[in-house]
Amino acid sequence: GENVEQHPSTLSVQEGDSAVIKCTYSDSASNYFPWYKQELGKGPQLIIDIRSNVGEKKDQRIAVTLNKTAKHFSLHITETQPEDSAVYFCAASIGDSWGKLQFGAGTQVVVTP
Amino acid sequence: GAGVSQTPSNKVTEKGKYVELRCDPISGHTALYWYRQSLGQGPEFLIYFQGTGAADDSGLPNDRFFAVRPEGSVSTLKIQRTERGDSAVYLCASSLTGGELFFGEGSRLTVL
Repeated sequence: GENVEQHPSTLSVQEGDSAVIKCTYSDSASNYFPWYKQELGKGPQLIIDIRSNVGEKKDQRIAVTLNKTAKHFSLHITETQPEDSAVYFCAASIGDSWGKLQFGAGTQVVVTP
Repeated sequence: GAGVSQTPSNKVTEKGKYVELRCDPISGHTALYWYRQSLGQGPEFLIYFQGTGAADDSGLPNDRFFAVRPEGSVSTLKIQRTERGDSAVYLCASSLTGGELFFGEGSRLTVL
């Protein structure tokens, strides 16, 4: 089955700096790679996603890159702000169902003012 | 509300008891998912409904777990003979077919 590994588990950055989170996956059939932000006591919220036919996608301060050959994808957050502090999860689709996802273990991001 | 609603938000029960967790998806969303999230981990897929039928229940850990969605809207996750290892946050998500998942805030289950 699909296995998703996520690094680092914790990330502390100064406000204004960039944050990078990396994930690898094992199933070459995966074709959808979303990223979620989860705040304490809340459900995960989609922040950006990328499909397998695209190598890079950007939305304001957030960007995601995908390397299908190497089976890894990354989240980049630029100009970090204190409100970016949260747990971030990467995920990869299992088979051809975009809603059936294998999640990474999460990265706790702390942005200090 | 416009989001996915889950009740109860917190449930404490004793080992061996029966529990029901309810999910009210976003109106018009045909797909509904249940995930389970243990402390410090990412969500883990349990079951997926498309309309009224369970399209994929391969993530249910054993036959103590069962879920229904009789009218294609509200879903109930049922856990029989609860065990301490069942303690987790149970998340529900809904989507239009092939679209973004919208998660609820979850039901935190504690089995004493």
